[in-house]
Amino acid sequence: DTGVSQDPRHKITKRGQNVTFRCDPISEHNRLYWYRQTLGQGPEFLTYFQNEAQLEKSRLLSDRFSAERPKGSFSTLEIQRTEQGDSAMYLCASSPGLAGGFSRQYFGPGTRLTVL
Amino acid sequence: GQNIDQPTEMTATEGAIVQINCTYQTSGFNGLFWYQQHAGEAPTFLSYNVLDGLEEKGRFSSFLSRSKGYSYLLLKELQMKDSASYLCAANQAGTALIFGKGTTLSVSS
Repeated sequence: DTGVSQDPRHKITKRGQNVTFRCDPISEHNRLYWYRQTLGQGPEFLTYFQNEAQLEKSRLLSDRFSAERPKGSFSTLEIQRTEQGDSAMYLCASSPGLAGGFSRQYFGPGTRLTVL
Repeated sequence: GQNIDQPTEMTATEGAIVQINCTYQTSGFNGLFWYQQHAGEAPTFLSYNVLDGLEEKGRFSSFLSRSKGYSYLLLKELQMKDSASYLCAANQAGTALIFGKGTTLSVSS
C-alpha cells in the first residue's frame, strides 16, 4: 500500500492557461474523489468516480473543469482557461467503496495551484 | 440544505483535555468522520461514527448523536504535535464527504 499519490505537488501558471493534474489512487480502490481546498476552509467536493464512471459532480465544477478516469485506475483533473479564483489545493482521495458500509477515504498530498 | 458548523479556533495547554464540537445538517446522512490536517498536508483519518455513542481510540474519542445532529472529538493528554486543524465531515449516502471549515487547535506548553 503506497498510498494515494498526486502529481505535480505544486503548479504555478498564468491566467488563461490550461493545467492538468494526475491522481493515482490506492490500488484496488474503486472509488476516487476530487476535492478543492482554499486557505482556512475545509475541502469542498468536486466530483467522484466509481471505477471509470463519473457518478457525481458538484455545482462548483464549472464547464472549465473536466475529470476523467479512463481505465478505472488513475484520474486526471483538467482546468481550462485558469482564473485567479482557481488558486487552491486540489486533493484526491480514494476508498474501497463498500456498498452501504463504512468506507474511509484516504487522501493524497494534494496539488497546490497558483494562478498568477 | 447542508451545513457543518464547528468552532474556528481553540487553544489548550499540553496535558489538558479539549473537546471540539460539530453540528451538522445533511440529507442522506451515512456517518460522521473526523480528520486531522497539519498545515500544508493532506487530511488524515481519525475516527468514524455512524451509530449514537462514544468511540474511543487511544487519546482520541468521538461521540455522535444522530437525533441532535451533533458530534464531538475529545482529545486527551494533549501534546504539542496535536496542534493542527480538525475537520468534521458528514458522509452523504456513502459518496462525498461534506466538510466543515475546520477547527484550528493550538497547543502550548
